[in-house]
Amino acid sequence: QVQLQQWGAGLWKPSETLSLTCAIYGGSFGGSYWSWIRQPPGKGLEWIGEINQSGSTNYNPSLKSRVAMSVDTSKNQFSLHLSSVTAADTAVYSCGQSPDHYHGVHIWGQGTMVTVSS
Amino acid sequence: QSVLTQPPSVSAAPGQKVTISCSGSTSNIGSNYVSWYQYVPRTAPKLLIYDNDKRPSGIPDRFSGSKSGTSAALGITGLQTGDEADYYCGTWDSSLRSWVFGGGTKVTVL
Repeated sequence: QVQLQQWGAGLWKPSETLSLTCAIYGGSFGGSYWSWIRQPPGKGLEWIGEINQSGSTNYNPSLKSRVAMSVDTSKNQFSLHLSSVTAADTAVYSCGQSPDHYHGVHIWGQGTMVTVSS
Repeated sequence: QSVLTQPPSVSAAPGQKVTISCSGSTSNIGSNYVSWYQYVPRTAPKLLIYDNDKRPSGIPDRFSGSKSGTSAALGITGLQTGDEADYYCGTWDSSLRSWVFGGGTKVTVL
């Protein structure tokens, strides 16, 4: 059974580039899409984007200009980078695994609370 | 404003049934699979239903999913206090090339 463990700083200043990493345990990159989802306080889930083993990405159009995702197959990890953050980016960020982008997120990381504040 | 529309809340007594609707369009629900998630604050979301009506192992058959045209629904029977949570529908949007979620529905057990 695949498990995801994520980490990253919980506090970022406005205009910084937020970075989070998710490690895959009990599985490998191949044959799946690896995604990031967030939930701002008091609001609903928001899909940020996804990446596969070959580095092919799809991003939420509303965040596309600020998002970059990458994979490190040697470490079985994938990462999220969100630039020019503001208070509106404060949220719980979760990584996830999907068979592909049609079948839903089957496995979720534990979530990281990220606060953007000066 | 979410691409998929869900009612903000539903409620019922223990043992009763609730149904949560999720309305979309031809570019999302109308042409792609729907999945449903249970979210309890400070825990990881849990996949309840995928591919419209399939349950992952470990999800009780009290939870069921259906889809018709551009709408989908999640049913919960035999409601329990442990079912109190927020529920989200989600699907791929072929026009946006993006995954989209509903706004979430809070289930309250009276």
